[in-house]
Amino acid sequence: IAGITQAPTSQILAAGRRMTLRCTQDMRHNAMYWYRQDLGLGLRLIHYSNTAGTTGKGEVPDGYSVSRANTDDFPLTLASAVPSQTSVYFCASSATVQETQYFGPGTRLLVL
Amino acid sequence: GQNIDQPTEMTATEGAIVQINCTYQTSGFNGLFWYQQHAGEAPTFLSYNVLDGLEEKGRFSSFLSRSKGYSYLLLKELQMKDSASYLCAGLDSNYQLIWGAGTKLIIKP
Repeated sequence: IAGITQAPTSQILAAGRRMTLRCTQDMRHNAMYWYRQDLGLGLRLIHYSNTAGTTGKGEVPDGYSVSRANTDDFPLTLASAVPSQTSVYFCASSATVQETQYFGPGTRLLVL
Repeated sequence: GQNIDQPTEMTATEGAIVQINCTYQTSGFNGLFWYQQHAGEAPTFLSYNVLDGLEEKGRFSSFLSRSKGYSYLLLKELQMKDSASYLCAGLDSNYQLIWGAGTKLIIKP
């Protein structure tokens, strides 16, 4: 069992380009989350999905979009990347919204 | 507003005990989580408290006081591999985690 996988591991992206970060879990968890982590700041929630077919905005959703077509996958799209989106992105999942979140290995993104 | 406060950095000696404090203010409260994060890696779950008191799990224990909005993580018999950041997070009334910035723990021989 892999748990949660993310791809790519790292990426250098030119400003203005479109990019999709992939996240897949095999634990049949209902809830999934996207966070960004920047030095000196706590994890900040970008978007979340409490169950397949639903999504919601977190603390910092601008410039990002998500979809949840099925239980396992929760891709995050940057429509037109900007340098301020340089960060480490973590996907997480939990069985339900009340339960422990488990994290993927992260994607390190540099936008130039 | 919602806020989680924890010290930025702490230093301790191998074999000793260290306590990392966390104070929280959340809209509603559905529990307090502690995670460990080694440099360059993902956060991993350590503990969860929703009722007042101490939860012990091997060398790690976590305490919660809901009336004081306060929690601590206690690490005993410190090992070099415990050098990491420790993240405190409160689960609010919307079941969203509010995260502190993390406490970097440095262990010296």
